[in-house]
Amino acid sequence: GQSLEQPSEVTAVEGAIVQINCTYQTSGFYGLSWYQQHDGGAPTFLSYNALDGLEETGRFSSFLSRSDSYGYLLLQELQMKDSASYFCAIYTGGFKTIFGAGTRLFVKA
Amino acid sequence: EADIYQTPRYLVIGTGKKITLECSQTMGHDKMYWYQQDPGMELHLIHYSYGVNSTEKGDLSSESTVSRIRTEHFPLTLESARPSHTSQYLCASSGDSQEKLFFGSGTQLSVL
Repeated sequence: GQSLEQPSEVTAVEGAIVQINCTYQTSGFYGLSWYQQHDGGAPTFLSYNALDGLEETGRFSSFLSRSDSYGYLLLQELQMKDSASYFCAIYTGGFKTIFGAGTRLFVKA
Repeated sequence: EADIYQTPRYLVIGTGKKITLECSQTMGHDKMYWYQQDPGMELHLIHYSYGVNSTEKGDLSSESTVSRIRTEHFPLTLESARPSHTSQYLCASSGDSQEKLFFGSGTQLSVL
Protein backbone atom coordinates (compact mmCIF):
# COMPACT_ATOMS: atom_id res chain seq x y z
CA GLY A 1 0.00 0.00 0.00
CA GLN A 2 0.89 3.66 0.03
CA SER A 3 1.04 5.90 3.08
CA LEU A 4 2.56 9.16 4.24
CA GLU A 5 3.25 10.30 7.78
CA GLN A 6 3.76 13.88 8.86
CA PRO A 7 3.22 15.59 12.23
CA SER A 8 -0.29 16.90 12.78
CA GLU A 9 0.80 20.22 14.31
CA VAL A 10 3.92 22.35 14.66
CA THR A 11 4.25 25.66 16.51
CA ALA A 12 7.08 28.14 16.03
CA VAL A 13 7.78 31.82 16.64
CA GLU A 14 8.05 34.56 14.08
CA GLY A 15 11.53 34.81 12.59
CA ALA A 16 12.47 31.25 13.53
CA ILE A 17 13.19 28.21 11.35
CA VAL A 18 10.86 25.21 11.29
CA GLN A 19 11.21 21.80 9.67
CA ILE A 20 8.22 19.64 8.75
CA ASN A 21 9.11 15.99 8.20
CA CYS A 22 7.42 13.49 5.94
CA THR A 23 8.03 9.76 5.70
CA TYR A 24 6.37 7.63 3.10
CA GLN A 25 5.77 4.06 1.98
CA THR A 26 4.93 3.35 -1.61
CA SER A 27 5.40 0.71 -4.26
CA GLY A 28 6.00 3.29 -6.98
CA PHE A 29 7.71 6.62 -6.53
CA TYR A 30 8.58 9.46 -8.87
CA GLY A 31 8.93 12.35 -6.43
CA LEU A 32 7.79 14.23 -3.34
CA SER A 33 5.78 17.45 -3.47
CA TRP A 34 4.79 20.02 -0.86
CA TYR A 35 1.62 22.12 -0.89
CA GLN A 36 0.50 24.99 1.33
CA GLN A 37 -3.14 25.51 2.22
CA HIS A 38 -4.50 28.44 4.23
CA ASP A 39 -7.79 27.98 6.03
CA GLY A 40 -10.60 27.99 3.50
CA GLY A 41 -8.18 28.33 0.62
CA ALA A 42 -6.86 26.27 -2.24
CA PRO A 43 -3.74 24.13 -1.87
CA THR A 44 -0.86 25.84 -3.65
CA PHE A 45 2.19 24.04 -4.97
CA LEU A 46 5.45 24.83 -3.17
CA SER A 47 8.08 22.37 -4.39
CA TYR A 48 8.82 19.03 -5.99
CA ASN A 49 11.85 16.80 -5.40
CA ALA A 50 12.50 13.95 -7.79
CA LEU A 51 16.16 13.50 -6.84
CA ASP A 52 17.96 13.30 -3.52
CA GLY A 53 19.09 16.54 -2.03
CA LEU A 54 17.98 20.00 -1.11
CA GLU A 55 16.00 22.37 -3.34
CA GLU A 56 15.79 26.01 -2.29
CA THR A 57 13.14 28.51 -3.30
CA GLY A 58 13.40 31.75 -1.36
CA ARG A 59 12.60 31.18 2.31
CA PHE A 60 11.41 27.63 1.64
CA SER A 61 13.61 24.59 1.02
CA SER A 62 12.66 20.98 0.46
CA PHE A 63 14.78 17.89 0.95
CA LEU A 64 14.45 14.31 -0.24
CA SER A 65 16.23 11.07 0.62
CA ARG A 66 14.88 8.31 -1.57
CA SER A 67 16.87 5.62 0.25
CA ASP A 68 15.28 6.63 3.57
CA SER A 69 11.81 7.30 2.07
CA TYR A 70 11.99 10.63 3.84
CA GLY A 71 11.71 14.29 3.06
CA TYR A 72 11.21 17.58 4.79
CA LEU A 73 10.11 21.13 4.18
CA LEU A 74 12.21 23.85 5.79
CA LEU A 75 10.73 27.28 6.34
CA GLN A 76 13.11 30.08 7.32
CA GLU A 77 12.48 33.55 8.69
CA LEU A 78 8.97 32.57 9.62
CA GLN A 79 6.22 35.13 9.10
CA MET A 80 2.71 35.21 10.50
CA LYS A 81 1.36 34.63 7.00
CA ASP A 82 3.12 31.24 6.95
CA SER A 83 0.50 29.93 9.40
CA ALA A 84 -1.23 27.31 7.27
CA SER A 85 -1.44 23.58 6.66
CA TYR A 86 1.39 21.96 4.74
CA PHE A 87 0.82 18.73 2.85
CA CYS A 88 3.47 16.38 1.59
CA ALA A 89 2.44 14.31 -1.41
CA ILE A 90 4.04 11.51 -3.36
CA TYR A 91 3.74 11.41 -7.12
CA THR A 92 3.59 7.80 -8.27
CA GLY A 93 3.13 8.44 -11.97
CA GLY A 94 0.24 9.11 -14.35
CA PHE A 95 -2.69 10.67 -12.55
CA LYS A 96 -1.62 9.53 -9.09
CA THR A 97 -0.65 11.99 -6.38
CA ILE A 98 -1.14 10.66 -2.84
CA PHE A 99 -1.47 13.27 -0.12
CA GLY A 100 -0.56 13.13 3.56
CA ALA A 101 -2.97 14.34 6.23
CA GLY A 102 -1.19 17.69 6.51
CA THR A 103 0.75 19.52 9.20
CA ARG A 104 -0.86 22.55 10.72
CA LEU A 105 1.77 25.24 11.35
CA PHE A 106 1.06 27.91 13.94
CA VAL A 107 3.38 30.92 13.89
CA LYS A 108 3.35 32.97 17.10
CA ALA A 109 4.47 36.56 17.51
CA GLU B 1 -4.65 35.72 -16.13
CA ALA B 2 -4.56 31.93 -16.37
CA ASP B 3 -6.37 30.36 -13.47
CA ILE B 4 -8.77 27.66 -12.27
CA TYR B 5 -12.23 28.63 -11.05
CA GLN B 6 -14.80 26.82 -8.98
CA THR B 7 -18.39 27.80 -8.28
CA PRO B 8 -20.20 27.97 -6.01
CA ARG B 9 -17.77 28.66 -3.19
CA TYR B 10 -20.30 27.48 -0.59
CA LEU B 11 -23.45 25.41 -1.06
CA VAL B 12 -26.03 24.35 1.49
CA ILE B 13 -28.77 22.11 0.18
CA GLY B 14 -31.35 19.60 1.34
CA THR B 15 -31.17 15.84 1.02
CA GLY B 16 -32.25 14.44 -2.33
CA LYS B 17 -31.38 17.50 -4.40
CA LYS B 18 -29.38 17.26 -7.60
CA ILE B 19 -26.33 19.52 -7.68
CA THR B 20 -23.56 20.38 -10.09
CA LEU B 21 -20.26 21.82 -8.97
CA GLU B 22 -18.58 23.85 -11.68
CA CYS B 23 -14.87 23.91 -12.50
CA SER B 24 -13.19 25.79 -15.32
CA GLN B 25 -9.56 26.45 -16.11
CA THR B 26 -7.96 28.90 -18.50
CA MET B 27 -4.49 27.36 -18.43
CA GLY B 28 -4.98 25.08 -21.42
CA HIS B 29 -4.30 22.00 -19.33
CA ASP B 30 -5.40 18.62 -20.64
CA LYS B 31 -5.54 16.88 -17.26
CA MET B 32 -8.13 17.74 -14.66
CA TYR B 33 -9.00 16.21 -11.29
CA TRP B 34 -11.59 16.29 -8.51
CA TYR B 35 -10.43 15.77 -4.93
CA GLN B 36 -12.51 15.46 -1.79
CA GLN B 37 -11.19 16.80 1.51
CA ASP B 38 -12.69 16.61 4.98
CA PRO B 39 -11.49 19.09 7.65
CA GLY B 40 -7.96 18.38 8.81
CA MET B 41 -7.66 15.40 6.51
CA GLU B 42 -5.80 14.42 3.38
CA LEU B 43 -7.10 15.00 -0.12
CA HIS B 44 -8.60 11.99 -1.85
CA LEU B 45 -8.89 11.69 -5.62
CA ILE B 46 -12.45 10.91 -6.75
CA HIS B 47 -12.30 11.61 -10.51
CA TYR B 48 -9.78 12.52 -13.17
CA SER B 49 -9.69 13.24 -16.87
CA TYR B 50 -6.87 13.11 -19.41
CA GLY B 51 -8.76 15.17 -21.95
CA VAL B 52 -12.05 15.69 -23.75
CA ASN B 53 -14.39 12.69 -23.45
CA SER B 54 -11.98 10.97 -21.05
CA THR B 55 -13.09 10.44 -17.44
CA GLU B 56 -12.01 7.89 -14.86
CA LYS B 57 -12.82 7.18 -11.24
CA GLY B 58 -10.15 7.83 -8.66
CA ASP B 59 -9.11 5.91 -5.57
CA LEU B 60 -11.95 7.05 -3.33
CA SER B 61 -15.32 5.67 -4.27
CA SER B 62 -17.81 8.45 -4.94
CA GLU B 63 -21.45 8.56 -6.00
CA SER B 64 -20.73 11.65 -8.04
CA THR B 65 -20.25 11.71 -11.81
CA VAL B 66 -18.20 13.98 -14.05
CA SER B 67 -18.11 14.99 -17.69
CA ARG B 68 -15.48 16.54 -19.96
CA ILE B 69 -17.07 17.91 -23.09
CA ARG B 70 -14.71 20.88 -23.37
CA THR B 71 -11.04 21.03 -22.40
CA GLU B 72 -11.56 23.91 -20.01
CA HIS B 73 -14.66 22.60 -18.22
CA PHE B 74 -14.93 19.66 -15.79
CA PRO B 75 -18.22 19.74 -13.81
CA LEU B 76 -19.09 17.29 -11.03
CA THR B 77 -22.69 16.18 -10.46
CA LEU B 78 -24.46 14.53 -7.56
CA GLU B 79 -27.83 13.18 -8.66
CA SER B 80 -29.24 12.91 -5.13
CA ALA B 81 -27.27 14.58 -2.38
CA ARG B 82 -27.04 13.02 1.09
CA PRO B 83 -25.55 14.27 4.38
CA SER B 84 -22.62 11.87 3.86
CA HIS B 85 -21.66 13.98 0.83
CA THR B 86 -20.91 16.95 3.08
CA SER B 87 -17.28 17.82 2.37
CA GLN B 88 -14.98 20.17 0.51
CA TYR B 89 -14.58 19.44 -3.19
CA LEU B 90 -11.40 20.68 -4.86
CA CYS B 91 -10.87 20.82 -8.59
CA ALA B 92 -7.33 20.74 -9.99
CA SER B 93 -5.52 20.67 -13.29
CA SER B 94 -2.02 19.86 -14.49
CA GLY B 95 -0.04 20.38 -17.64
CA ASP B 96 2.87 18.38 -18.99
CA SER B 97 4.36 18.27 -15.48
CA GLN B 98 1.70 16.05 -13.93
CA GLU B 99 3.37 16.20 -10.53
CA LYS B 100 2.43 19.87 -10.22
CA LEU B 101 -1.25 20.40 -9.51
CA PHE B 102 -3.06 23.73 -9.70
CA PHE B 103 -6.10 23.88 -7.44
CA GLY B 104 -9.26 25.93 -7.46
CA SER B 105 -10.53 27.51 -4.25
CA GLY B 106 -12.94 24.64 -3.66
CA THR B 107 -16.65 24.22 -3.02
CA GLN B 108 -17.69 23.63 0.58
CA LEU B 109 -20.81 21.47 0.32
CA SER B 110 -23.20 20.97 3.23
CA VAL B 111 -26.12 18.59 2.79
CA LEU B 112 -28.80 18.89 5.46
